[in-house]
Amino acid sequence: AQKVTQAQTEISVVEKEDVTLDCVYETRDTTYYLFWYKQPPSGELVFLIRRNSFDEQNEISGRYSWNFQKSTSSFNFTITASQVVDSAVYFCALSGIQGGSEKLVFGKGTKLTVNP
Amino acid sequence: DTGVSQNPRHKITKRGQNVTFRCDPISEHNRLYWYRQTLGQGPEFLTYFQNEAQLEKSRLLSDRFSAERPKGSFSTLEIQRTEQGDSAMYLCASRGTASSYNEQFFGPGTRLTVL
Repeated sequence: AQKVTQAQTEISVVEKEDVTLDCVYETRDTTYYLFWYKQPPSGELVFLIRRNSFDEQNEISGRYSWNFQKSTSSFNFTITASQVVDSAVYFCALSGIQGGSEKLVFGKGTKLTVNP
Repeated sequence: DTGVSQNPRHKITKRGQNVTFRCDPISEHNRLYWYRQTLGQGPEFLTYFQNEAQLEKSRLLSDRFSAERPKGSFSTLEIQRTEQGDSAMYLCASRGTASSYNEQFFGPGTRLTVL
């Protein structure tokens, strides 16, 4: 069975602080994909990033960076110099490849509040 | 290029009534997915289509739920004899074959409230 755990239910920071959102996953698949989505108060899930299980390079996109560590089954997300517009619920998701299933398995999300 | 659209955005119904939601995927996306999200939880997979074929269904999709994609374009999700436990956000997503990494793009959702 596949599972995604986001242990942090809510995080509150002050603008310009750095914040890391944790994601731990479980899967028996040897090849899989990991994702982060952002859900602002409007409700629409916004795709942020995808990572393949065979590519452990970390990635940086502007103020966002992702740290994938296969050894610890973690895929953490860091926002540098947070801004009020970053306030949202962030979801980590997992998609296996074996068996042909295309479903995304989501964690419960981490609600980030960035205060001015 | 417009995104995934869903209608209605909100639906309030009484227990026992039937409801139908519509999803229009991104143009030329052949894969379409339905998820359900309850308060404080992540989305949970319901079903998915490749063109008009329904290829996977979750155990969450009870016999009161039916999804169709008759012409391989838009899809409908119907819930019969609604129950209060059906109250949730119903999300639709799509992706095209050009992406081999299962990147799914979501619509704004339909929020269902069953009284």
